[in-house]
Amino acid sequence: GENVEQHPSTLSVQEGDSAVIKCTYSDSASNYFPWYKQELGKGPQLIIDIRSNVGEKKDQRIAVTLNKTAKHFSLHITETQPEDSAVYFCAATTINTGGFKTIFGAGTRLFVKA
Amino acid sequence: NAGVMQNPRHLVRRRGQEARLRCSPMKGHSHVYWYRQLPEEGLKFMVYLQKENIIDESGMPKERFSAEFPKEGPSILRIQQVVRGDSAAYFCASSPDHFDRGTEAFFGQGTRLTVV
Repeated sequence: GENVEQHPSTLSVQEGDSAVIKCTYSDSASNYFPWYKQELGKGPQLIIDIRSNVGEKKDQRIAVTLNKTAKHFSLHITETQPEDSAVYFCAATTINTGGFKTIFGAGTRLFVKA
Repeated sequence: NAGVMQNPRHLVRRRGQEARLRCSPMKGHSHVYWYRQLPEEGLKFMVYLQKENIIDESGMPKERFSAEFPKEGPSILRIQQVVRGDSAAYFCASSPDHFDRGTEAFFGQGTRLTVV
């Protein structure tokens, strides 16, 4: 079945450094790739997304890249701050005849040390 | 525009009881998704519904679990005869009526079910 793998599972960086989280997906029909941030006790919040016809997208300190040939996509956070500490989930959405389904990665727990 | 509303936020049930989790999608959204999240784990897809229709329930356990999204009112995830292994956070997400190749889904705050 469809699968999304996410690495690393835990990431610890110093404040101001960059953080990179990588994901691979298995279903070549996937064409929408959102990233979610989940803080303790809260639901996931969409932080950035990318569609299959785009290779890179940037929003302030956050950027996402997509390589459809290799079926992998990455989240880059620059100039990290303590408030970036959270669990980050990548996801791949696949359209089918009935609608669409999103498969999530297992998550990356990011710690930003002040 | 209120976000996705889930209630209750916390639910405690004894083994063998029924749990009912409710989700009101964002205004204008008619697609609802339920996910389960075990402690320290990712989100596992359970079911995808549109108004009065179950589109994809491939992630739902075959027994004790059911979901509905009636024409009026919230979507309901129902777990009968709960067991300790059902303890988890259950998240609902909704997305707009019209979508092209992919569209963002908005999540609720989740219901944390504890079975004692």
